[in-house]
Amino acid sequence: AQKITQTQPGMFVQEKEAVTLDCTYDTSDPSYGLFWYKQPSSGEMIFLIYQGSYDQQNATEGRYSLNFQKARKSANLVISASQLGDSAMYFCAMREGGYGGSQGNLIFGKGTKLSVKP
Amino acid sequence: ETGVTQTPRHLVMGMTNKKSLKCEQHLGHNAMYWYKQSAKKPLELMFVYNFKEQTENNSVPSRFSPECPNSSHLFLHLHTLQPEDSALYLCASSPEARDRGNQPQHFGDGTRLSIL
Repeated sequence: AQKITQTQPGMFVQEKEAVTLDCTYDTSDPSYGLFWYKQPSSGEMIFLIYQGSYDQQNATEGRYSLNFQKARKSANLVISASQLGDSAMYFCAMREGGYGGSQGNLIFGKGTKLSVKP
Repeated sequence: ETGVTQTPRHLVMGMTNKKSLKCEQHLGHNAMYWYKQSAKKPLELMFVYNFKEQTENNSVPSRFSPECPNSSHLFLHLHTLQPEDSALYLCASSPEARDRGNQPQHFGDGTRLSIL
């Protein structure tokens, strides 16, 4: 069974609009951490945002926010006010075990390709 | 300037060649990682080094041989590769392999490897 599921292979969004990228995860460990990375065509994986399983509040980093629904095991990434430079692959990842996933290795989903239209 | 530098950016080699990929991090981290990214597949963890010691080998074929001479440098030595080994190879680093949990891994730009 897949640990991280990203059901949207590709998404389009109009510039300046908000977009939500879906991520669901599967774990029986009560302690884990969730990460989102952006990968432009250049190849580098850029860290965007982190959410720990015990965090009470949804994580936010600038235009990025994480809609964390623990009971549904979902951790969707919301990008507000999309920019042309946001066009990239986006990967959801999880670490299990330890506090906030401190003991595990990163497990990645297959990614979602976001295209921002001018 | 990226904190994790990988060279070369692109590599084309025949199946009988021997080559090496290099990764250098300037972040003062103690853990380094090799990942393989194939088309339409999730990133696959290959190796983990923590304080220069290999702590994880994710059932990687022996034609891939990692080397970590110090906490700042990581190599992946390649020999007699197969066409299915063509992929983007990403290096990453983090403060430690087992940490507070919220420490992200920092990635390089990757080496795009093509096996003829």
